[in-house]
Amino acid sequence: AQSVAQPEDQVNVAEGNPLTVKCTYSVSGNPYLFWYVQYPNRGLQFLLKYITGDNLVKGSYGFEAEFNKSQTSFHLKKPSALVSDSALYFCAVRDFRDDKIIFGKGTRLHILP
Amino acid sequence: DSGVTQTPKHLITATGQRVTLRCSPRSGDLSVYWYQQSLDQGLQFLIQYYNGEERAKGNILERFSAQQFPDLHSELNLSSLELGDSALYFCASSVKYHEQFFGPGTRLTVL
Repeated sequence: AQSVAQPEDQVNVAEGNPLTVKCTYSVSGNPYLFWYVQYPNRGLQFLLKYITGDNLVKGSYGFEAEFNKSQTSFHLKKPSALVSDSALYFCAVRDFRDDKIIFGKGTRLHILP
Repeated sequence: DSGVTQTPKHLITATGQRVTLRCSPRSGDLSVYWYQQSLDQGLQFLIQYYNGEERAKGNILERFSAQQFPDLHSELNLSSLELGDSALYFCASSVKYHEQFFGPGTRLTVL
């Protein structure tokens, strides 16, 4: 069965520092991987995805993620954090043979001014 | 604005009652998904429809049901409501296997 894990409930980063939000996954076939962000009282917003191709994926708001097949990871990164990046971040995975998509429990990112 | 609309925005009802949540997907999207988000359970996938047909089922209770109509809008019906059903309910739409676009959600409060 497919699953996704976000091992950190919360990540604190000083403004201007690089940030990483971790995600590992488990699927039986080739994964489709996604990152979403949720601001307070809003729906989730799509940030970026990996379907195939380059392992480094660039997305919205300066975010990027690296697909690592051997480590089954898809960590979200940004070189320089902004206070406005503070939000709840979700990783999601879908097995390309299955319509079901599984979301991680979310990681709350706090960027400290 | 994601292009996905959900009504109502807020809903307050009593235990044992039945409610219907409505979702209109983005123009051209054939897939509709329903999610429940609560503080203790996180984001739970409930059910997916593709062009009117059920395609995947998640942690959806038997008291809950959904359908997608020929015009592609979808409704989530919640019956015999319990206090624990209080949550944010999100609808999302996508072009089959691509990224999903989420609506603003319906906040359900069961008293």
